[in-house]
Amino acid sequence: GAGVSQTPSNKVTEKGKYVELRCDPISGHTALYWYRQSLGQGPEFLIYFQGTGAADDSGLPNDRFFAVRPEGSVSTLKIQRTERGDSAVYLCASSLVGSSTDTQYFGPGTRLTVL
Amino acid sequence: RKEVEQDPGPFNVPEGATVAFNCTYSNSASQSFFWYRQDCRKEPKLLMSVYSSGNEDGRFTAQLNRASQYISLLIRDSKLSDSATYLCVVIPNTGNQFYFGTGTSLTVIP
Repeated sequence: GAGVSQTPSNKVTEKGKYVELRCDPISGHTALYWYRQSLGQGPEFLIYFQGTGAADDSGLPNDRFFAVRPEGSVSTLKIQRTERGDSAVYLCASSLVGSSTDTQYFGPGTRLTVL
Repeated sequence: RKEVEQDPGPFNVPEGATVAFNCTYSNSASQSFFWYRQDCRKEPKLLMSVYSSGNEDGRFTAQLNRASQYISLLIRDSKLSDSATYLCVVIPNTGNQFYFGTGTSLTVIP
């Protein structure tokens, strides 16, 4: 079956602009996660959704970052007033029920470059 | 202190060698542990879960040492196709978010 998909695969923007990154999880997965991965680092947790609600948003670095999942499926990560330091690969993952033993399946990521 | 510490390597080993990676974690109450593999410019993919009793999958063996708070991955008879970055993952008892190590880079040389 289809895995996690993310669009766009690459996004280049200018400092100060607004961007939206989209994640389409595996069908039937109730849990959805966003991570950010910088070069040479492991993925860093941003936010976790259980259904439509953000169960844990403690990883969002500041209020320029926001994510939604209005119908409990597709999620959008929104970044306002982008900064050069936001450049990274943004990874989305989904899991069946969100338990601690669930496998998280990752999408291919969106590579964001802020000029 | 980071939740998860991992030696970034790189490890360069000849084909057929045995190589081991360790990863330490700071939260003694952590409840779940995994090893993920990440190929260059690709997404992480689950390699194996790590169970308290240790577990083996073919050439790969994962172990957990709760007393010393580390997990390990052993790869026997290394293949060229094992070349990748190996990420350890720890899940605390307080939630479901994954804490990743920085990853250990492995290159298997012909």
